[in-house]
Amino acid sequence: KAGVTQTPRYLIKTRGQQVTLSCSPISGHRSVSWYQQTPGQGLQFLFEYFSETQRNKGNFPGRFSGRQFSNSRSEMNVSTLELGDSALYLCASSPEMDTQYFGPGTRLTVL
Amino acid sequence: TQLLEQSPQFLSIQEGENLTVYCNSSSVFSSLQWYRQEPGEGPVLLVTVVTGGEVKKLKRLTFQFGDARKDSSLHITAAQPGDTGLYLCAGVNNNDMRFGAGTRLTVKP
Repeated sequence: KAGVTQTPRYLIKTRGQQVTLSCSPISGHRSVSWYQQTPGQGLQFLFEYFSETQRNKGNFPGRFSGRQFSNSRSEMNVSTLELGDSALYLCASSPEMDTQYFGPGTRLTVL
Repeated sequence: TQLLEQSPQFLSIQEGENLTVYCNSSSVFSSLQWYRQEPGEGPVLLVTVVTGGEVKKLKRLTFQFGDARKDSSLHITAAQPGDTGLYLCAGVNNNDMRFGAGTRLTVKP
């Protein structure tokens, strides 16, 4: 099976812009989770989607949103970017919310 | 405040040494997982422990789940440079998974 893929791998944006990141899960996996990873805060849970519904949500502001499509592919959107949003954004898929299979991540830099 | 506290935060050792890293919480988990992440890649699952007191071995790695299912340890015997990476623990409860900040291990040749 192909692994989790994320696009783009690298992204540079400026403050105030918005960004959309994409994740294609492993075939057959219905759960997709998003995480933000920074050196200072570690791996922080953003949200989890299961069968197109948001099932869990972390403590992030409303600028962070996501959605899942009927084919389980997921997108994450961040609006009004801030410098502190610079991070590695990881997507993980799972048959249920158990073992997480991570993608390589999208490295977002906000200037 | 992290739900899961990992210690130490950083560890640098010589090849051949033994080490133990810890994952502690005040919460009880139905299961706990350990992942390793290498630079430029996402974390990869090493093991899942489910039963309090459970011990699992994966070659030179030994994982233990605390009796109360609140904490876990990872012991590496005769560390090798290939063990270098970020070791993350994750607690699972009711379709909710939370990660610790990780222990960054460097094994020098």
